[in-house]
Amino acid sequence: GAGVSQTPSNKVTEKGKYVELRCDPISGHTALYWYRQSLGQGPEFLIYFQGTGAADDSGLPNDRFFAVRPEGSVSTLKIQRTERGDSAVYLCASSLKGFKTDTQYFGPGTRLTVL
Amino acid sequence: QQQVKQSPQSLIVQKGGISIINCAYENTAFDYFPWYQQFPGKGPALLIAIRPDVSEKKEGRFTISFNKSAKQFSLHIMDSQPGDSATYFCAAEISGSARQLTFGSGTQLTVLP
Repeated sequence: GAGVSQTPSNKVTEKGKYVELRCDPISGHTALYWYRQSLGQGPEFLIYFQGTGAADDSGLPNDRFFAVRPEGSVSTLKIQRTERGDSAVYLCASSLKGFKTDTQYFGPGTRLTVL
Repeated sequence: QQQVKQSPQSLIVQKGGISIINCAYENTAFDYFPWYQQFPGKGPALLIAIRPDVSEKKEGRFTISFNKSAKQFSLHIMDSQPGDSATYFCAAEISGSARQLTFGSGTQLTVLP
């Protein structure tokens, strides 16, 4: 597709379960970002990948959150032992090379609900 | 803590009117200020952006005004249309290698027909 795609669009899970959220960036984009958007708030930065490596993971809230991008394209955000406070929309974005002038293109997000 | 404060939280404007959304920041290391537009169920999309070396940038009906000394910037939407109804976020990015955007809390704009 032409844009950033994320799957699933919605995920409902129970407290304590493990979830994986997938992001397919725009083809050829080397930079990938994860953000979390709580209801009525702006997106909050989680992690930034340049290629396969996490260039900045300072936004990950705790060690229950982990993200990978093994081949420098698709990325997976993994959340262990989910808590009700993890409920939010998780947004993925990509940009061409990660330069400051590059636009970050956002996907539609995955809405995570932890019961 | 890096913060970007945005106001108002919601805004209702008549068709053809001017919509004005304001943001203020604290960290003088911010050097890139984009505005994003978000429709329900969609991700944010870049609308317009400015750097602190200019005081104003205009693209079509959208204008950013930037006041470096006051650490404030604003989005003006001229001739507002019902199709502009969306949530608008200001954001800021710090200089250096980090590429994390710090977003404001958003303004829900409603343009009445």
